[in-house]
Amino acid sequence: NAGVTQTPKFQVLKTGQSMTLQCAQDMNHNSMYWYRQDPGMGLRLIYYSASEGTTDKGEVPNGYNVSRLNKREFSLRLESAAPSQTSVYFCASEDRGQTSNTGELFFGEGSRLTVL
Amino acid sequence: LAKTTQPISMDSYEGQEVNITCSHNNIATNDYITWYQQFPSQGPRFIIQGYKTKVTNEVASLFIPADRKSSTLSLPRVSLSDTAVYYCLVGSLRSARQLTFGSGTQLTVLP
Repeated sequence: NAGVTQTPKFQVLKTGQSMTLQCAQDMNHNSMYWYRQDPGMGLRLIYYSASEGTTDKGEVPNGYNVSRLNKREFSLRLESAAPSQTSVYFCASEDRGQTSNTGELFFGEGSRLTVL
Repeated sequence: LAKTTQPISMDSYEGQEVNITCSHNNIATNDYITWYQQFPSQGPRFIIQGYKTKVTNEVASLFIPADRKSSTLSLPRVSLSDTAVYYCLVGSLRSARQLTFGSGTQLTVLP
């Protein structure tokens, strides 16, 4: 049982390049989230998916797109990377809507992105 | 969304009890209070959750007064390994919600 898996763990991009961060969970959770964390700050929500087939914007969605490919996978895409997107990105999942829902978020280990 | 306010940092010594308070004046009736712990270079980890009064598990206690406008995370007999950032979140478990983290409290445990 791997929990929440993110790839890649590290990535360096040049301004204007595009890339996709992948996230997969094996806990059969309905809801999935993408956060970014800048140095010395808390996590800010980029996008979330309450259930398969739905996605919604969070606090800081500009410059990002997401895809809930299936129940397990939720990807985050940067179409044209900017230095302001240098951050650590965390994916999380939650069993929202199921009988055992405690509201507990399970996080991946993070993906450290640097945009030059 | 209920906004939360926590102290930016706290220091303690090994073996002491640590209490971290979170203010959430506009908490809604259906909102629960959840605390997370984050170590450097790791994702946050769930510690404890409650709705009212007191909740205790193997690592912490959560005290919530009757008006629910604040909550206190209590860590008994802290050790160096408890040095981390602690976040307080407030939100409903029933409806799709945006889960937002504040800046958290940096707890430093000194020898």
